[in-house]
Amino acid sequence: ETGVTQSPTHLIKTRGQQVTLRCSSQSGHNTVSWYQQALGQGPQFIFQYYREEENGRGNFPPRFSGLQFPNYSSELNVNALELDDSALYLCASSLQGAHNEQFFGPGTRLTVL
Amino acid sequence: GENVEQHPSTLSVQEGDSAVIKCTYSDSASNYFPWYKQELGKRPQLIIDIRSNVGEKKDQRIAVTLNKTAKHFSLHITETQPEDSAVYFCAASIQAAGNKLTFGGGTRVLVKP
Repeated sequence: ETGVTQSPTHLIKTRGQQVTLRCSSQSGHNTVSWYQQALGQGPQFIFQYYREEENGRGNFPPRFSGLQFPNYSSELNVNALELDDSALYLCASSLQGAHNEQFFGPGTRLTVL
Repeated sequence: GENVEQHPSTLSVQEGDSAVIKCTYSDSASNYFPWYKQELGKRPQLIIDIRSNVGEKKDQRIAVTLNKTAKHFSLHITETQPEDSAVYFCAASIQAAGNKLTFGGGTRVLVKP
């Protein structure tokens, strides 16, 4: 059984650019949730993907979008980057319908200059 | 939507003493309350969770209590050790709605040897 992995580890972009972050879910998990963690704060829910469909969204603008693939891995895309998008982006995988414990990946640290 | 408040934001204890972190939530439909530990530069890790049909749960030196009427829950760490030093986050969610977590702001715990 493998844990949740994310790539890349770190990323530096400039304002206005676009970024794609990737997440591989834990073996056997079918749901991926994405969170944004600003420095010194708790993670904030961005959205969740289940069976390749968005299954709920937090208070984030449409320039945050995502995908889930048949193997349950997922991507987070952010367009028109803003300075405030600088944060640690965490994905968490879980098994829908079971105890639903979420297991987090190591995160991608995004810096927007 | 759900709002989770967490107190205190920082907590300094002497090794061997107890630490208590308190959280309140706003949505009475929330029924799942996990606690995560996040060490510096690492992913959040689930340390204990409680569901709304249970008032208390214990796992070795950590315990969580839930008061559904008052909408608050607490984490208790006994016999603290230096390796307990980390940031702790409480969270709340509705399991039937996909378990999208709303996190508190975190408590930085420092255990002094």
